[in-house]
Amino acid sequence: DQQVKQNSPSLSVQEGRISILNCDYTNSMFDYFLWYKKYPAEGPTFLISISSIKDKNEDGRFTVFLNKSAKHLSLHIVPSQPGDSAVYFCAASRTGANNLFFGTGTRLTVIP
Amino acid sequence: ETGVTQSPTHLIKTRGQQVTLRCSSQSGHNTVSWYQQALGQGPQFIFQYYREEENGRGNFPPRFSGLQFPNYSSELNVNALELDDSALYLCASSQDTFNTGELFFGEGSRLTVL
Repeated sequence: DQQVKQNSPSLSVQEGRISILNCDYTNSMFDYFLWYKKYPAEGPTFLISISSIKDKNEDGRFTVFLNKSAKHLSLHIVPSQPGDSAVYFCAASRTGANNLFFGTGTRLTVIP
Repeated sequence: ETGVTQSPTHLIKTRGQQVTLRCSSQSGHNTVSWYQQALGQGPQFIFQYYREEENGRGNFPPRFSGLQFPNYSSELNVNALELDDSALYLCASSQDTFNTGELFFGEGSRLTVL
């Protein structure tokens, strides 16, 4: 039972444009959300997170938006750079829990 | 500051065998979590170790077991290997047991079961 879903397996974007990666979740108990980035032959690295008390969190070129009523979050990358090409995983958790539930990932390709 | 290191990076086993995967946590981290990432899937939580004891477990059978040592390093053991155990096994360390803290992942151990 996939509680976190990333329905787009891949996304291609021109350098300098906006990349929007989407994620949906089904468990209403989730209240903490994260994005991880993974390059080939490396482990996932933390990118940005958001608590359910917020609807937006920004860190440089990366912004995560949370729509609790729709159980949807998105990651915006502006402007996109070739070095952003990687697989992006959305993850969710409950406060106090010790594990993350991951989506299946979206492979982003930024075309120079 | 050394990051999370895992060994071996790749290994091949046959069905029914046993395997041990190792993980050294990042300096200063006392908690280790293990995740299994099957092909085309996201990482799935296996279990977490804190203070040398299992501190939560995902939906994995008892043939998946682990250890944590006093230096916070950890092992994942899988007995009676099955073909579906073929996956990338990721170790992640953190400064606490809760997920509002950042997890630091190693590069993983890719296990192939024939």
